[in-house]
Amino acid sequence: AQSVTQLDSQVPVFEEAPVELRCNYSSSVSVYLFWYVQYPNQGLQLLLKYLSGSTLVKGINGFEAEFNKSQTSFHLRKPSVHISDTAEYFCAVSPVISGGGADGLTFGKGTHLIIQP
Amino acid sequence: NAGVTQTPKFQVLKTGQSMTLQCAQDMNHEYMSWYRQDPGMGLRLIHYSVGAGITDQGEVPNGYNVSRSTTEDFPLRLLSAAPSQTSVYFCASKHREVSGYTFGSGTRLTVV
Repeated sequence: AQSVTQLDSQVPVFEEAPVELRCNYSSSVSVYLFWYVQYPNQGLQLLLKYLSGSTLVKGINGFEAEFNKSQTSFHLRKPSVHISDTAEYFCAVSPVISGGGADGLTFGKGTHLIIQP
Repeated sequence: NAGVTQTPKFQVLKTGQSMTLQCAQDMNHEYMSWYRQDPGMGLRLIHYSVGAGITDQGEVPNGYNVSRSTTEDFPLRLLSAAPSQTSVYFCASKHREVSGYTFGSGTRLTVV
């Protein structure tokens, strides 16, 4: 079984400042890692994912994340945020299964990013 | 290409009523799943399917039934709605060989 901990339920940041949203996971097997964003009253949109290879992953909207296997972390960062980045951000994992895998995602409880003008 | 389509977008039910939440995808994805989202809880897996005719339970399956008669459709049935099932429900799908699901826009269900 897997578990995901998002260390901050809410992160207020001033516009154009950098931000880091923290995510730690626990799993007895290798996992794929994901960050999703949910804008108000909308579904979830994939920001980025780590499957293998380079531990620094770049996603959409200027976001990036770094996989740290020893610390079991997958923190999300953006060097300069905009008002439009206000949203809920979810970290998620799924187990690595040969052939792509069928298991669903295990989500963290989410971090609400609030951009202040 | 519509992606993952969920209907209805909003629904109010009385306790004990039954209903079906519809989910359809036009991407020929083998895998489909249902999640519920509750405040402060993130998303939790209800049921999932790896192909037509095959379904399995997720983390919170009680009170919900699913079936997968076609690749495109994966309906979620509430046989006797309870207030604890008030939530936002998301359907998601993906290809077998691809990691990362595509989500629908959700159904907001209120049980009174």
